Amino acid sequence: EAGVVQSPRYKIIEKKQPVAFWCNPISGHNTLYWYRQNLGQGPELLIRYENEEAVDDSQLPKDRFSAERLKGVDSTLKIQPAELGDSAVYLCASSRSGTTYNEQFFGPGTRLTVL
Amino acid sequence: SQQGEEDPQALSIQEGENATMNCSYKTSINNLQWYRQNSGRGLVHLILIRSNEREKHSGRLRVTLDTSKKSSSLLITASRAADTASYFCATDVEGTYKYIFGTGTRLKVLA
Repeated sequence: EAGVVQSPRYKIIEKKQPVAFWCNPISGHNTLYWYRQNLGQGPELLIRYENEEAVDDSQLPKDRFSAERLKGVDSTLKIQPAELGDSAVYLCASSRSGTTYNEQFFGPGTRLTVL
Repeated sequence: SQQGEEDPQALSIQEGENATMNCSYKTSINNLQWYRQNSGRGLVHLILIRSNEREKHSGRLRVTLDTSKKSSSLLITASRAADTASYFCATDVEGTYKYIFGTGTRLKVLA
């Protein structure tokens, strides 16, 4: 089966510019996660979707970050405006259901550099 | 914030040797998972151990879990150069569906 697809793989922008990341999860996976991974650190959850509903966005900086999963399939994460501290790898993952006994399948990530 | 912390932060061994890395966490969990991340790539799931399990094996991997000490260990036996990667533990905080990843152990296996 095809894995989690993310685009773009790399993005370089000036600070204060907007940026968007796209994720297409594995077919049939209802749960979708967005993580941010800073250099040398583990991933940190930004938001979790069950189908089209954001069930945990407590870690999402809502002043500048937004996300959507309109039809419960693919998802977009947006930052507007970007700040220097947003430079990181943004990972998307999916799993079959909302239980945590299912493994998460990760995409390759989008490496964001904010200048 | 990171719940789990892996120890050591970095480990360098010779091919054929065993590699052991540890993970400590703070809250009660339903399960603990280990993931591997090769340089510049996404994470790959290795193994899941439930809170009522004490040990689990998968190929050359052996995972133990001690819920009384809130710790887990991952043993890779007969390591290979291809095992060079960062290894992360991830715990789901009991009562939530949130995974929290540790800070990772960077393993280097020398040929």
